[in-house]
Amino acid sequence: GAGVSQSPSNKVTEKGKDVELRCDPISGHTALYWYRQRLGQGLEFLIYFQGNSAPDKSGLPSDRFSAERTGESVSTLTIQRTQQEDSAVYLCASSLGTGNIQYFGAGTRLSVL
Amino acid sequence: KQEVTQIPAALSVPEGENLVLNCSFTDSAIYNLQWFRQDPGKGLTSLLLIQSSQREQTSGRLNASLDKSSGRSTLYIAASQPGDSATYLCAVWVIVDGLTFGKGTHLIIQP
Repeated sequence: GAGVSQSPSNKVTEKGKDVELRCDPISGHTALYWYRQRLGQGLEFLIYFQGNSAPDKSGLPSDRFSAERTGESVSTLTIQRTQQEDSAVYLCASSLGTGNIQYFGAGTRLSVL
Repeated sequence: KQEVTQIPAALSVPEGENLVLNCSFTDSAIYNLQWFRQDPGKGLTSLLLIQSSQREQTSGRLNASLDKSSGRSTLYIAASQPGDSATYLCAVWVIVDGLTFGKGTHLIIQP
């Protein structure tokens, strides 16, 4: 597609359930990034991939969060045993390489009840 | 840990004015700096990217400058228009830390 695509656009889940968020980067972009924006707060970096590998996972908020990327394309961010504090907009971005302009998707709004 | 501060937090000006948004960062060891705009309910749109070796970048009515040694950047918007109303975010890139964002300047251009 022409831009970064994220799905679902909205997700409402119950506390304790697992959720999976998907990101389709711009074709040919080798770098992919995940961010989180809680209500009223700034954007928070979670993790990035160069190709299929993530050099540093220390930005993930807890061990309930995991991310993977396959085929240098689609990435999924999985949150296990969701908590109310996980409620946020999760944004994905991609770029031609690390350090290049990052293009963002419209985000997934996650609400944990 | 890198911290990015944006001043002012909010700004409201009449249409046609030139304006300056400020961004400062605590660690000058950055790879690059990006300015974005964020519209309500939408994702981020990249406006300008300045590499650490550059001093400024221009795109249309926008000009961004970077003084890496002092940890400062400014975004200059010329002849502002109502369509410029948005939240403007400054972010610095440090390779293993991803982009570190400021909290943004909420800009309103009054018609």
